[in-house]
Amino acid sequence: QVQLVQSGAEVKRPGSSVKVSCKASGGSFSNFGFSWVRQAPAQGLEWMGGSIPIFPAPNYAQRFQGRVTITADESTGTAYMELSSLTPDDTAVYYCTRGLRGGFDIWGQGTLVTVS
Amino acid sequence: QSVLTQPPSVSAAPGQRVTISCSGTSSNIGNNYVSWFQQFPGTAPKLLIYDNHKRPSGIPDRISGSKSGTSATLDITGLQTGDEADYYCGVWDSSLSAVVFGGGTKLTVL
Repeated sequence: QVQLVQSGAEVKRPGSSVKVSCKASGGSFSNFGFSWVRQAPAQGLEWMGGSIPIFPAPNYAQRFQGRVTITADESTGTAYMELSSLTPDDTAVYYCTRGLRGGFDIWGQGTLVTVS
Repeated sequence: QSVLTQPPSVSAAPGQRVTISCSGTSSNIGNNYVSWFQQFPGTAPKLLIYDNHKRPSGIPDRISGSKSGTSATLDITGLQTGDEADYYCGVWDSSLSAVVFGGGTKLTVL
């Protein structure tokens, strides 16, 4: 069974960038799509974008275009999400999840990013 | 303001049935598959329903999903106190080229 293990919590200054990792274990990584979903404190879920590692072009939500970069290292089975120009509104738990357009069946444990 | 509309809260007694609605448009629910997620405080969401009505392995059949037109529904029967959680619907939006979620519904088992 595939598991997704994310990197630890981060505290960042406004204007800086953060890069969160998500390592897949226990199964093939390259052939399934994955997405990044974030959740601000006491708020709902927000999809940021997704990718299939064997295809070169990630798909980003419009509101994050130009500020988010989703990549994957197939050799290590690790996905990354980098968000730049951080503001306090970016304070949230960031999740990686398996799936591209829904049906997100496996989730990482979440990474809290605090911008302050 | 979420693209999909869910009631902020629902409640029912143990053993009863509850229905959570999710309303969208032809760009999302009307022409794509709906998923439902359960989330407990401080934990990652868990997939309950995918492709409108399918249950992943391990999800009991007292949990079901359906879709009609531009609305979807999550039904939970035989409510248990352990069902108290937040529930989200999610679907691909063809106009936005993005996955959209409802604002979430807090289920209280009285």
